[in-house]
Amino acid sequence: AQSVSQHNHHVILSEAASLELGCNYSYGGTVNLFWYVQYPGQHLQLLLKYFSGDPLVKGIKGFEAEFIKSKFSFNLRKPSVQWSDTAEYFCAAVTNSGGYQKVTFGIGTKLQVIP
Amino acid sequence: SAVISQKPSRDICQRGTSLTIQCQVDSQVTMMFWYRQQPGQSLTLIATANQGSEATYESGFVIDKFPISRPNLTFSTLTVSNMSPEDSSIYLCSVRPGNTEAFFGQGTRLTVV
Repeated sequence: AQSVSQHNHHVILSEAASLELGCNYSYGGTVNLFWYVQYPGQHLQLLLKYFSGDPLVKGIKGFEAEFIKSKFSFNLRKPSVQWSDTAEYFCAAVTNSGGYQKVTFGIGTKLQVIP
Repeated sequence: SAVISQKPSRDICQRGTSLTIQCQVDSQVTMMFWYRQQPGQSLTLIATANQGSEATYESGFVIDKFPISRPNLTFSTLTVSNMSPEDSSIYLCSVRPGNTEAFFGQGTRLTVV
């Protein structure tokens, strides 16, 4: 069965530190990939998405992610985090199976940025 | 894009009772999705609701426990039946207009006592 794995469940960084959150998916077919963010008390919001084309995707708030097909990975990066980036981050994949589309989420990574 | 309204935003319920969660979308969509997010865990898809047909349930979820209605293209309900403390979770409604990204409601935080 398809799955999405996030390796870092809880990350603590100081402001201005660089961020990289790992995401791997287990599906060999066409896959659409997403990163979502959930700020405390708020609903899930889309950070960025990859459907096709340039594997380096830029999203909102200075985030970017790189799709590496050979590694089944879609890691999220930000060169310099801010206290306001404290949130939970979810990697997700949409896969097609017999014409039925399904969105599978990773377990999430809680990011805490210390001022 | 899509704006989703979910009601109630939270509830505390007695075990053995049922709760119906409503999801209203500001545009017509073919499919609506219901997820559960248990404490410390990821979002798990419960079922996919198509208008005019029975919902499709994921492994581990059954219609008797989570009956779903989809009376039109902008509305759906999920009922959590015969609740137990293990059903305490956040329940989320989601849509993917144009099969792009998923949009989510604020969620319903359910506590079963």
